[in-house]
Amino acid sequence: EAQVTQNPRYLITVTGKKLTVTCSQNMNHEYMSWYRQDPGLGLRQIYYSMNVEVTDKGDVPEGYKVSRKEKRNFPLILESPSPNQTSLYFCASRGRPQRYNEQFFGPGTRLTVL
Amino acid sequence: AQSVAQPEDQVNVAEGNPLTVKCTYSVSGNPYLFWYVQYPNRGLQFLLKYITGDNLVKGSYGFEAEFNKSQTSFHLKKPSALVSDSALYFCAVDSGNTGKLIFGQGTTLQVKP
Repeated sequence: EAQVTQNPRYLITVTGKKLTVTCSQNMNHEYMSWYRQDPGLGLRQIYYSMNVEVTDKGDVPEGYKVSRKEKRNFPLILESPSPNQTSLYFCASRGRPQRYNEQFFGPGTRLTVL
Repeated sequence: AQSVAQPEDQVNVAEGNPLTVKCTYSVSGNPYLFWYVQYPNRGLQFLLKYITGDNLVKGSYGFEAEFNKSQTSFHLKKPSALVSDSALYFCAVDSGNTGKLIFGQGTTLQVKP
């Protein structure tokens, strides 16, 4: 089954404690992306990757890092989480040609930073 | 800059009645438009898209959307609503060069029995 997986699904942590949210897709997509969803704001892009070792900032990249060492994986790293990063996070992937294709989303990770 | 607007935070419909969830867009160049649905505690699921061709696009779960270039709209419709259609609906437009989708703020659809 074609899918995007994320782990963990739920995470409660404290300010300053480094964490990683993993994301993996099995569709051989080159493009992957991270979004955060906040009430009234829709989904906003954090980082994206056009291919292995190619990453770039989205609209709200502050406080986040990513890496793309393999095509299937695109982890999101919060090196020093703060309460304003409490949110619902989604990983997504998209096949070529990207403009014409839908994005496939993971199930989401609900993060609470105390 | 590309943008999407969903003017209604919530739409209430009785089961069996037709439903419309509104979306307007602003793009430079050709618009590539998408609708997604989000059920509670789930990720976003793709419903349908407009790339080119017929203005009426059919998608999953009996949904369809009408592309109107002159009104820059892409409204989501269904002839007969089900209680199980109750969810959060997002309209999105392709940003043009980074693979990013630009999302509207979302519209909550409530279908009452």
